[in-house]
Order: sequence, then structure tokens, then C-alpha cells
Amino acid sequence: DGGITQSPKYLFRKEGQNVTLSCEQNLNHDAMYWYRQDPGQGLRLIYYSQIVNDFQKGDIAEGYSVSREKKESFPLTVTSAQKNPTAFYLCASSKRSGVDEQFFGPGTRLTVL
Amino acid sequence: RKEVEQDPGPFNVPEGATVAFNCTYSNSASQSFFWYRQDCRKEPKLLMSVYSSGNEDGRFTAQLNRASQYISLLIRDSKLSDSATYLCVVLTFNKFYFGSGTKLNVKP
Repeated sequence: DGGITQSPKYLFRKEGQNVTLSCEQNLNHDAMYWYRQDPGQGLRLIYYSQIVNDFQKGDIAEGYSVSREKKESFPLTVTSAQKNPTAFYLCASSKRSGVDEQFFGPGTRLTVL
Repeated sequence: RKEVEQDPGPFNVPEGATVAFNCTYSNSASQSFFWYRQDCRKEPKLLMSVYSSGNEDGRFTAQLNRASQYISLLIRDSKLSDSATYLCVVLTFNKFYFGSGTKLNVKP
């Protein structure tokens, strides 16, 4: 079955630690995205990648970093510079960037203790 | 002004009712429109794309009004399983904008 997987489902982090969230897709999609969702709010774009070895900042990139070394994988690192990292993180992919509908992974719920 | 605005609800309706949600968007150049469904603590899932001529998928009908810059979602014969948050998504200049969602509670 084709789809998007994210791991872990739940993640707890101490203040001052960096953590990396995994996102893998086997849909052969070119574009991948990272969003953050806070309670009662819409999704906000952190980073996106239109193609391998390329990525751009979204609206709230500060305190985050990404890489896109393989088409299937788009990991997100939440650094200690991110002031308020507790949130629900969603990874998505689409066949073509900015054209086709997006499909989402199950999300990672990050809590900073 | 937000790119996409939705009434947060909640809309509380009995089973079998017809319910409609609207969503307004601010940029007249927006290209594509979608409705997603999000269950509590889960990821959004694509419900349907919205076409200029309107489109229907079973009990769900989506319509686009470009002149007034809004899209709508109509759900007929509501089921308990329709209870969820419905997200309006607009594609503008190759970027997706998400509404904060409208919550629907279908009661027995």
C-alpha cells in the first residue's frame, strides 16, 4: 500500500534538546511539506521541498531545519532555538508542487517538558 | 486579513439533517480549492476537490462562487460518522492555505 509514514507518533523532549521527526513516502511524489498545527488553529507551513536536494522556508521556519537527500524522505529537526515547539506536526506530499492535492501522514505529537 | 476564513462552529445537527458550511478566500487569483476532513487528533484527509461547475460525491456537494470568493460544502442525510472538523483549503500562486476548520457534531 502506498502512503506516508511519520515516526514517532508521540515524542517528548526536554527543553534545550534537538529532535528529529521522520517522514517517508512511497507514493513517488516530487513535493513534500511540513506543517505545524496548534489547538483550534489552521495548519502553518514550516518548510517545503519541490524536488530532491532542494527546499524552501515556509511561514514559520525559524527554529526548524530540514533535508531532502532522497525523494522518499523529508526529515524535520526541531532545534532548541524554536521557542514554543509543543504542537502536532504533519508531513504531507503531493505529486507536483503547488498543483496537486496534498496527502498527509498520521502526524507526530511533540511535547516539550 | 486571513487568506482563508471559516466559521469555527460547532454545528450541532441531528442525524439525517442537511448541513452546509461556507469558506471565504481573499485572493481572487486563487487557482484550486479543496475540502479536507480531520478527525480529532488525526491527520487531514482529502474529502473532495471543488470545481467551478460544482461537484457531487454521494451525500456531499461542493460549490465554488468565484464572484463572491467563497466555496461551500453541503452534507445531506448526516451520519454520526460525519462528525469531524472540515478544513477549507485554497491554492494560491502555488501555495496552499488552510482554514482553521469548521467543527460538525452529528447527534443521534
